[in-house]
Amino acid sequence: EVQLVESGGGLVPPGGSLRLSCAASGFTFSSYSMNWVRQAPGKGLEWVSYISTSSSAIYYADSVKGRFTISRDNAKNSLYLQMNTLRDEDTAVYYCAREGRYCSGGFCFRIFDYWGQGTLVTVSS
Amino acid sequence: SSELTQDPAVSVALGQTVRITCQGDSLRTYYASWYQQKAGQAPVVVNYGKNNRPSGIPDRFSGSSSGNTASLTISGAQAEDEADYYCNSRDSSGNHLVFGTGTKVTVL
Repeated sequence: EVQLVESGGGLVPPGGSLRLSCAASGFTFSSYSMNWVRQAPGKGLEWVSYISTSSSAIYYADSVKGRFTISRDNAKNSLYLQMNTLRDEDTAVYYCAREGRYCSGGFCFRIFDYWGQGTLVTVSS
Repeated sequence: SSELTQDPAVSVALGQTVRITCQGDSLRTYYASWYQQKAGQAPVVVNYGKNNRPSGIPDRFSGSSSGNTASLTISGAQAEDEADYYCNSRDSSGNHLVFGTGTKVTVL
């Protein structure tokens, strides 16, 4: 059974730092690209960051670029998000999501096929 | 930046059909995927690409696309379909992902 379990959330003051972790199990972690997606209270989903299988490709949303760093440790089946210079607007539930690749009719699509339960990050003084 | 726009809310009578739309320039190039999120839960993919459903998703969820608009149709809506629905695709660079603004579906 595929499982993604986030941890590391909590209350942090503006300007502070936090490191989120996502422990993966039930699949070959090193074979899948991974993402972080967040959701502010009562708001919609926002893609945050992507990392490829070997960490050779990394992308960030403009809203977090330069402040957040995504990384992974394939030996430990773990995904991370280092968040620095946190702002009030970073308050959200942070989900890690596996990116699966599915092919049909000659086309291949990448989707978020498994999600963790999320970890809440609250930025407040 | 690329944006995906959805109607904030729609309602549908039990057993009837409802269509949720998602508009954005990037949809002319990239297919959309659709996610259902029930209150307090993580999202679940219900449709992607050229109308593909993951295993376990009922066939009442169908997807389509035309021009800059992607659509998710729920045919014969059930009470358990009441949820928020988000489309997702790539921006013009192809490297960044973007979610739609979300549609709250109420089943009457």
